[in-house]
Amino acid sequence: GQQLNQSPQSMFIQEGEDVSMNCTSSSIFNTWLWYKQDPGEGPVLLIALYKAGELTSNGRLTAQFGITRKDSFLNISASIPSDVGIYFCAGHDTDKLIFGTGTRLQVFP
Amino acid sequence: DVKVTQSSRYLVKRTGEKVFLECVQDMDHENMFWYRQDPGLGLRLIYFSYDVKMKEKGDIPEGYSVSREKKERFSLILESASTNQTSMYLCASSFGYQPQHFGDGTRLSIL
Repeated sequence: GQQLNQSPQSMFIQEGEDVSMNCTSSSIFNTWLWYKQDPGEGPVLLIALYKAGELTSNGRLTAQFGITRKDSFLNISASIPSDVGIYFCAGHDTDKLIFGTGTRLQVFP
Repeated sequence: DVKVTQSSRYLVKRTGEKVFLECVQDMDHENMFWYRQDPGLGLRLIYFSYDVKMKEKGDIPEGYSVSREKKERFSLILESASTNQTSMYLCASSFGYQPQHFGDGTRLSIL
């Protein structure tokens, strides 16, 4: 099945640093979603983007829906230890979601 | 808040057994989904359902079946479990084209 190219695969950063991750696709999507998965838990929705060019914030998180509708990025500012987890992008393809392979984030104090 | 509940967090079964994974959602969502999650492969869609008694194959349906007899419940069935079905299984639900909400997952080990 189709998958999105998500990068980087993993990040090891120090508390307080900013983080940036992105997803690209060969297909156009009408919706981009960003989820976070804590260890041992299911993914939780962080941000939903519905319009090309849209920039949306949720606290320290900011995500953008690319103009071409084939990409999206997620930024986390001033990281804290509880930001640790796996971040997934997902594109809405008609009736189902296509997921990226995830970015594993580790934050060191 | 949407609540998606998966019946077991951890499950250990033997090769050849018939395994049932249950998922219940409390928000009257018509859409329900089963994924499996493996390291490096992300989330892969096994089956999904738009309504009671309806089911559609996802990307990796082989070795699995599903049942949706009631709107709130979506069951994943491993007809004859094999070791390559050891994985984390995630259930999700959604309303229309709204984002999907996930349960906490069932970590299944097949010995």
